[in-house]
Amino acid sequence: DAGVIQSPRHEVTEMGQEVTLRCKPISGHDYLFWYRQTMMRGLELLIYFNNNVPIDDSGMPEDRFSAKMPNASFSTLKIQPSEPRDSAVYFCASTPLGNTIYFGEGSWLTVV
Amino acid sequence: QKEVEQDPGPLSVPEGAIVSLNCTYSNSAFQYFMWYRQYSRKGPELLMYTYSSGNKEDGRFTAQVDKSSKYISLFIRDSQPSDSATYLCAMSGSGGYQKVTFGTGTKLQVIP
Repeated sequence: DAGVIQSPRHEVTEMGQEVTLRCKPISGHDYLFWYRQTMMRGLELLIYFNNNVPIDDSGMPEDRFSAKMPNASFSTLKIQPSEPRDSAVYFCASTPLGNTIYFGEGSWLTVV
Repeated sequence: QKEVEQDPGPLSVPEGAIVSLNCTYSNSAFQYFMWYRQYSRKGPELLMYTYSSGNKEDGRFTAQVDKSSKYISLFIRDSQPSDSATYLCAMSGSGGYQKVTFGTGTKLQVIP
């Protein structure tokens, strides 16, 4: 199994630009999560989906953040407009009906 | 106050030492307790999983949960340089694993 696949691995963008992060979960996993990791706040859950339906987006910091899951094999996290404080590592993760969350390798975002 | 508190370290130990990593939490609804290991520039991966109070052993790793004190620990015996990583505690409540709360992580370095 290829695992959770994220792209891009690294992104440097200017403040005000739109950023789109992409994720392909592990096939057959019903749940998909987007996390953000920073030194100060650790790993924070932004939003999660069950069977492509957003269940809880209470962790999304602002309206500038949006996430979609148009089908079982693809999800996007979009930031528009981006700000320097959005600089972080963004992880996508997925899980079947169980207790192990499988993380991708992360998308390292720097907003200058 | 954060729901989950974890000493960020860094913790530096000689090879072969016994390592103790700890987390405290405030939410008494947590019932599932996990430890994730995260190597540099990688996503976290599940190391140990425990339900409710008690001990669980897996090779050189032992996880302990004391719900009365709201305190969990991970012990690593005969530590190896390959154990050098950041260790994140994680927990979730009766709502299931979907809403997992992570600690900020403790960075461990095992010196040969």
